[in-house]
Amino acid sequence: GAVVSQHPSWVICKSGTSVKIECRSLDFQATTMFWYRQFPKQSLMLMATSNEGSKATYEQGVEKDKFLINHASLTLSTLTVTSAHPEDSSFYICSALTAPNQPQHFGDGTRLSIL
Amino acid sequence: AQSVTQPDIHITVSEGASLELRCNYSYGATPYLFWYVQSPGQGLQLLLKYFSGDTLVQGIKGFEAEFKRSQSSFNLRKPSVHWSDAAEYFCAVNFGNEKLTFGTGTRLTIIP
Repeated sequence: GAVVSQHPSWVICKSGTSVKIECRSLDFQATTMFWYRQFPKQSLMLMATSNEGSKATYEQGVEKDKFLINHASLTLSTLTVTSAHPEDSSFYICSALTAPNQPQHFGDGTRLSIL
Repeated sequence: AQSVTQPDIHITVSEGASLELRCNYSYGATPYLFWYVQSPGQGLQLLLKYFSGDTLVQGIKGFEAEFKRSQSSFNLRKPSVHWSDAAEYFCAVNFGNEKLTFGTGTRLTIIP
């Protein structure tokens, strides 16, 4: 149980384009999802908290107009990297909560490469 | 300030040897504590968690961790490692706001 699916797993695109990453909870409803960014050989940095039916809460230093988050249903949150540039290249991982203060369950991540 | 520390960036152990990965946190109360494992290019898999009660918790894949309040620690252990245990290990802490703060990770290498 508590499976989180993230799609795509790998994307390469040209500078200036927008990229959408999907995060789905497959066998549970997730009122809260999280988006992280991970640079090579580094830890996970929380970008934002996504709550179903409300605006996402962004961490300090994360550009909300650059990283658009939508959590339109209890099983889907999306992260759109707008006008992506090479510095946005990274590994993006989502997670979801089954209930308050329970462990977060993680997707397999998306490797984003901007050329 | 709330923080999580994993003092060991990289640990190498022989297959079959015991393992202990360290994790310390800074917080005025008892937080929710987790250990996750990450294989290269993959997401994170939960190994075990501590919320309350028995301070020695058992997890998957033969791992266990012990919460020591006096030391603000939550060290991960395994009596005998297998080559498949080679991965990155993250200690993570929920300081009561649903968010996870991760340690910097410990990379585990297993030698034959």
